[in-house]
Amino acid sequence: GAVVSQHPSRVICKSGTSVKIECRSLDFQATTMFWYRQFPKQSLMLMATSNEGSKATYEQGVEKDKFLINHASLTLSTLTVTSAHPEDSSFYICSARLGRKLREQYFGPGTRLTVT
Amino acid sequence: GENVEQHPSTLSVQEGDSAVIKCTYSDSASNYFPWYKQELGKGPQLIIDIRSNVGEKKDQRIAVTLNKTAKHFSLHITETQPEDSAVYFCAAISNTGGFKTIFGAGTRLFVKA
Repeated sequence: GAVVSQHPSRVICKSGTSVKIECRSLDFQATTMFWYRQFPKQSLMLMATSNEGSKATYEQGVEKDKFLINHASLTLSTLTVTSAHPEDSSFYICSARLGRKLREQYFGPGTRLTVT
Repeated sequence: GENVEQHPSTLSVQEGDSAVIKCTYSDSASNYFPWYKQELGKGPQLIIDIRSNVGEKKDQRIAVTLNKTAKHFSLHITETQPEDSAVYFCAAISNTGGFKTIFGAGTRLFVKA
């Protein structure tokens, strides 16, 4: 099946710094990419939806200035957590959608962010 | 807003027994229902899915049923094995409204050898 990668898999940063997470669709062009956040033992919460070349659509309660999303190409989306705080520590997962078929959504392996 | 409820939150079964996880969705426009398996520290992996025009689907030891009238769908795992231990998420998607995936809260399945 299609492969989605994330980099880095784990990152530790100091409070107040910014960190960028990359999501790549390796063998297909993704029309849409999604970013999720998952707290320990909880479900995936959709943060934002991004289409290549367009501004991301953020879910209610997600600060767009805090979580910057750039979808510069059909194979790459980035999530930048700006001025990170310990409460931003979480597991961040991206997914990429190929076309408009319902089944064609593929998830990345996730990035564990720890803010100290 | 749209919501998917999932039960139970934790399920412990003996190896070889069956496991059933149930979900209920609220959005009548939902027409696709995937199930994901997530292992510790990894992203979700699709294990089976069902569309709204189908009532049941089976793939080896895994089956999913859908009652569209009641907005219920369930995952059935037969002959469970220790490697089935993981967190399972149900989800509902509508192809209107941007293909947003609404996840259930997850079920932590333990299969005891």
